[in-house]
Amino acid sequence: DIVMTQSPLSLVVTPGEAASISCRSSQSLLRTNGYNYVDWYLQKPGKSPQLLIHLASIRASGVSDRFSGSGSGTDFTLKISRVEAEDVGVYYCMQGLQTPPTFGQGTKLEIK
Amino acid sequence: QVQLQESGPGQLKPSETLSLTCAVSGGSVHSARYYWSWIRLPPGKPLEWIGYAYNSGSTNYNPSLKGRVTMSADTSKNHISLSLKSVTAADTAVYYCAGSPIDPRIAALSFLDWGQGILITVSS
Repeated sequence: DIVMTQSPLSLVVTPGEAASISCRSSQSLLRTNGYNYVDWYLQKPGKSPQLLIHLASIRASGVSDRFSGSGSGTDFTLKISRVEAEDVGVYYCMQGLQTPPTFGQGTKLEIK
Repeated sequence: QVQLQESGPGQLKPSETLSLTCAVSGGSVHSARYYWSWIRLPPGKPLEWIGYAYNSGSTNYNPSLKGRVTMSADTSKNHISLSLKSVTAADTAVYYCAGSPIDPRIAALSFLDWGQGILITVSS
């Protein structure tokens, strides 16, 4: 299985500041079609996970433009440009290149 | 987007079989436009994909579950079923049903639609 490694595992951010989460895969997630098969999900407290970013950099419908994804191959980043209180929760990266799809350990974001 | 609702027993004993259903509304389980997955979140661990059912007959399971899992789609009730045999405490988790719209040009398994989840506890 492809292993997804996130860092940091915990993040405390002041509202209005930027935040960044890194995700590294054990093998390249770049397919010959030019897409990187990485998603980012946010699980808010007491809620189901929600899709934020798919194919490494495409925001899902309705997701704030404060969220952006980047990277290629084995290194990927989720950035939140101006953290708000509603952004708290656990962020997961996931690879969808091969089955089984596998998730990172999760990064817990808290507000200072 | 579709709406998903999981239902099941809540608690069971080791060695029993877990049976869950996911009611689908706003879409058809027979549709060739969606993969229907089960995903779980064990306490203190990351999300784990269990498997998917597709187009009423096709399935794909996580090998980590070692043949214990069966999924099926019931078109008459428009729901997806999950059966997990010989459960242990390690199967304690919140179980989610999730839908992935299919774009054949991309063939990505992104989980767009999620149910609210159901907590399953395995304990003697």
